[in-house]
Amino acid sequence: AQKVTQAQTEISVVEKEDVTLDCVYETRDTTYYLFWYKQPPSGELVFLIRRNSFDEQNEISGRYSWNFQKSTSSFNFTITASQVVDSAVYFCALSSNDYKLSFGAGTTVTVRA
Amino acid sequence: DGGITQSPKYLFRKEGQNVTLSCEQNLNHDAMYWYRQDPGQGLRLIYYSQIVNDFQKGDIAEGYSVSREKKESFPLTVTSAQKNPTAFYLCASSKRSGPYNQPQHFGDGTRLSIL
Repeated sequence: AQKVTQAQTEISVVEKEDVTLDCVYETRDTTYYLFWYKQPPSGELVFLIRRNSFDEQNEISGRYSWNFQKSTSSFNFTITASQVVDSAVYFCALSSNDYKLSFGAGTTVTVRA
Repeated sequence: DGGITQSPKYLFRKEGQNVTLSCEQNLNHDAMYWYRQDPGQGLRLIYYSQIVNDFQKGDIAEGYSVSREKKESFPLTVTSAQKNPTAFYLCASSKRSGPYNQPQHFGDGTRLSIL
């Protein structure tokens, strides 16, 4: 069985602060894929990143960075110098060689001006 | 622009009534999915389809039905058997998975409420 845990329900920061979202996963498969999605107030989910289980390189994309550590089954997401437009619900998800995505419960990020 | 269109944005259901949510995509994706989102919870998979005229149950298929007669369309019917249908419904599509799982692209969602 697969499981994704996002322990932080809500995070509130002031603009320009950094914010890190935690994601811990469980799977018995050796090949799997991890994703982060952003859900702004409009409702649609926006794909941010995909990482496969054999690639533990950290990644930076603009103000976003991801830290994947297989040893702790974690795939954490950091927003640097947060902006009001970053306010959204962020979901971590896991897939193991099938079409199913297992989602975490999401973390609501509120960035105050 | 390519994308996924869900309609209507808001839908109200009376007791004992079946309602159908529309999902159309012009991304030429083979796979399509329906998810249900409840407040404070992640998305849960209702049904998915990898190819036309074929679909599989997800984790919470009871009380729902789907069809996949065309590649572009994957409508979801919420039947009267679904006793707690109030939720936000999201449709998604992706390229067919092979060795690599493809990211799913999502529509704007339909919010269903009971009258």
